Amino acid sequence: GAVVSQHPSRVICKSGTSVKIECRSLDFQATTMFWYRQFPKQSLMLMATSNEGSKATYEQGVEKDKFLINHASLTLSTLTVTSAHPEDSSFYICSASVQGVSYEQYFGPGTRLTVT
Amino acid sequence: AQSVTQLDSQVPVFEEAPVELRCNYSSSVSVYLFWYVQYPNQGLQLLLKYLSGSTLVKGINGFEAEFNKSQTSFHLRKPSVHISDTAEYFCAVSDLRTSGSRLTFGEGTQLTVNP
Repeated sequence: GAVVSQHPSRVICKSGTSVKIECRSLDFQATTMFWYRQFPKQSLMLMATSNEGSKATYEQGVEKDKFLINHASLTLSTLTVTSAHPEDSSFYICSASVQGVSYEQYFGPGTRLTVT
Repeated sequence: AQSVTQLDSQVPVFEEAPVELRCNYSSSVSVYLFWYVQYPNQGLQLLLKYLSGSTLVKGINGFEAEFNKSQTSFHLRKPSVHISDTAEYFCAVSDLRTSGSRLTFGEGTQLTVNP
């Protein structure tokens, strides 16, 4: 149980275009979903926290107009990178949790974004 | 605020040798503690967690960790490693007061098991 999927696993887009990444909890309802960014050989950097039905809370330094997060249902959150640039190339990982249940996050497999 | 320090960025060991990956944390409140493993180009997989109770926690793949409150440490150990244990390992803490189980991660330790 507690499986989180991400789609796509890899995406290449041209500079200036937008790309959407989906994060789904397959067998549980996720009260909260998190979006992380990971550069090569580095740790995970939390970008934002989203609770179903409410606006995402962004970490300091993360542009909310560039990284649009939607958490419209208890099983789906999306991250849209708008007007992508090469510096947005990174590994994006989502996670999901059920509040009050051991405070554990279940991680998706990640999405490799390359902006050319 | 809380922070996590993983004292070794890289740990090379030989197959079947024991290994310890060190993790220290700083927090003004009680925390939950976690160890995750990440294989190349994959997400994170939970190895083990400490929530309460016994300070020695056993996880998957033969790993265990010991919570030491006085030393604010949560070191990960395995008595005999395999080639397949080669991966990046992350220690993380969650502030018990924070809603939504927000995690703070350490910088990671690359474990490389050589034949």
